[in-house]
Amino acid sequence: QQQVKQSPQSLIVQKGGISIINCAYENTAFDYFPWYQQFPGKGPALLIAIRPDVSEKKEGRFTISFNKSAKQFSLHIMDSQPGDSATYFCAAKNYGGSQGNLIFGKGTKLSVKP
Amino acid sequence: DTGVSQDPRHKITKRGQNVTFRCDPISEHNRLYWYRQTLGQGPEFLTYFQNEAQLEKSRLLSDRFSAERPKGSFSTLEIQRTEQGDSAMYLCASSGKRDTQYFGPGTRLTVL
Repeated sequence: QQQVKQSPQSLIVQKGGISIINCAYENTAFDYFPWYQQFPGKGPALLIAIRPDVSEKKEGRFTISFNKSAKQFSLHIMDSQPGDSATYFCAAKNYGGSQGNLIFGKGTKLSVKP
Repeated sequence: DTGVSQDPRHKITKRGQNVTFRCDPISEHNRLYWYRQTLGQGPEFLTYFQNEAQLEKSRLLSDRFSAERPKGSFSTLEIQRTEQGDSAMYLCASSGKRDTQYFGPGTRLTVL
């Protein structure tokens, strides 16, 4: 049973456009939601993370929007650049809980066209 | 470089052989995680250490897999009698007090 569902599987955006990736979770015990960026042959790198006490968090061109009642969260990349072309993973966990692992979505491959 | 390091970066082995991977976490981090990632999928949790204690193991971690973190610093992941289905990227991550997990570059295993 997949606990974090991510969409779309792939996304093509023009340079300067907005990239939007969505995730939905099932476990109401989750209270920590990071996004990771992964380039081919590399490990995932933390991009931005949110906890459910806020509905939005912004860092530079990256914004997480969080809807606790809908159990959904999304990543917005403003002014998308070719260098943003990578695979993006959402994840979730029970922050500070005894269960240490992150549950990942299946990923979204983003291509930003020049 | 003070990030998570993994060795080797690539490993090619024949089916039935044993392999061992090493992970060196960020020095002040007491938690260490192993994940497996196959092509087109997100990382899947294998096991988790807090200091030297192995606190969780996924059901993905069959009897052929064993992990250790003997002194609460580096960790090793051993796969015995490798199978072609073990071919994947093996990722290590570490976290400290803030619980944010930082990943290493991974070890790409190919079983022929």
